[in-house]
Amino acid sequence: GAVVSQHPSWVICKSGTSVKIECRSLDFQATTMFWYRQFPKQSLMLMATSNEGSKATYEQGVEKDKFLINHASLTLSTLTVTSAHPEDSSFYICSASLRGVRVEAFFGQGTRLTVV
Amino acid sequence: AQTVTQSQPEMSVQEAETVTLSCTYDTSESDYYLFWYKQPPSRQMILVIRQEAYKQQNATENRFSVNFQKAAKSFSLKISDSQLGDAAMYFCAYITTHNNNDMRFGAGTRLTVKP
Repeated sequence: GAVVSQHPSWVICKSGTSVKIECRSLDFQATTMFWYRQFPKQSLMLMATSNEGSKATYEQGVEKDKFLINHASLTLSTLTVTSAHPEDSSFYICSASLRGVRVEAFFGQGTRLTVV
Repeated sequence: AQTVTQSQPEMSVQEAETVTLSCTYDTSESDYYLFWYKQPPSRQMILVIRQEAYKQQNATENRFSVNFQKAAKSFSLKISDSQLGDAAMYFCAYITTHNNNDMRFGAGTRLTVKP
């Protein structure tokens, strides 16, 4: 149980275009979903937290207009990288939690974004 | 703010031997959870072991065990009988029960297992 699916696993896009990444909890309802960014050989950096039906909470330094997060249902959160630039190239990972039920986060497989 | 520190960027162990990965954390909370996650080359984050701060007994999962020293704010991971499949990045993580939003990660330790 507690499977989180992230799609796509990799994407290449042109500068200036937008890319949407989906994060789905397959067998549970996720009250909270998290988006992380991971640079090569570095740790996970929390970008934002999203709760179903409310606006995402962004970490300091993360541009909310560039990284649009939508958590429309208890099983789906999306991260849209708008007007992507090469510096946005990175590995993006989502996770989901069952607040009040399970403490640990369950992670998606990650998405490798390359902006050319 | 809570911080998690892993002071060993890289560690190496011989197959079948034992290795210990270090982690310290800083918090003013009394109730929290600590985790070790493994990230193999596939980059999928895998939960290795978890420890509740209120429990004095160290968590154990098969070949993986922790040494939790609450007063010292130390949470090390011991891997016994190391296997080639244990090679990965290992991240120590912290979350407070106050706010389940914030899972904080250490910088990670890259573990190499030599045959």
